[in-house]
Amino acid sequence: EDQVTQSPEALRLQEGESSSLNCSYTVSGLRGLFWYRQDPGKGPEFLFTLYSAGEEKEKERLKATLTKKESFLHITAPKPEDSATYLCAVQSSVGNEKLTFGTGTRLTIIP
Amino acid sequence: NAGVMQNPRHLVRRRGQEARLRCSPMKGHSHVYWYRQLPEEGLKFMVYLQKENIIDESGMPKERFSAEFPKEGPSILRIQQVVRGDSAAYFCASSPRGMETQYFGPGTRLLVL
Repeated sequence: EDQVTQSPEALRLQEGESSSLNCSYTVSGLRGLFWYRQDPGKGPEFLFTLYSAGEEKEKERLKATLTKKESFLHITAPKPEDSATYLCAVQSSVGNEKLTFGTGTRLTIIP
Repeated sequence: NAGVMQNPRHLVRRRGQEARLRCSPMKGHSHVYWYRQLPEEGLKFMVYLQKENIIDESGMPKERFSAEFPKEGPSILRIQQVVRGDSAAYFCASSPRGMETQYFGPGTRLLVL
C-alpha cells in the first residue's frame, strides 16, 4: 500500500528564516509526486509535480526536490503570505490514478 | 478559465437525510476525482470517474455512498442516510486526461447534526 509521511507536523518561522519540509514515501512504482498548498477553508492549490529522482522545480520562494525515497520543499526567505498547510501526494504508475496524501505540514511565518 | 466548481460550499443535514454534492470540472477536463478530508486527517481518495463511467471506486464506502458523472451536467456525490461520521470536507478534482495533474475545487463542508 502506498504511504506518505510528512514532517514536521507544524513549523513556525520568522519572516526571512529559510527552512525545508520533508515528505517520505513508499509507492509501488512512482508515476509522480505532487506538492499542494492548502489555506484554511479552501481546496488544495497545485504547486509542483516531480517525476524522477534528481528533478528540481522552483516557483518564487519555493523549490521542490525529489530522491528515490523522499521529497523536500525548500522555502527561502519566507513571507507571512506563505503561511499555509503544505501537502505532499504520490501517484503510482501501477493501477489506478488516485493520489495518496500525507497529513501535511502546517507552516506559520511570523512577521 | 474558471477552476473546478463545487456546490454547495456548506451543507447541514440531520442524521438519516440525504446529501448531494455537485462538482463541475475545469473546462476541457473529462476526468473527475472525489476525496474526503476528515478533521486532522489527510485527504483520502474515494472515487474516479470519466463521463458516464465509474473507473475506480475502491475508496468509497460500500453502503450509502454513490457517485455519477453524466454525459451532461456536473458530477454528483450522493450520501444516503447520513450519519455523524460523514461530517467532513469533500473535495472534487479534475484533470484533462488520465495520469495528469489533478486540480482541486474549494470543497463542500458537510455537517451532520
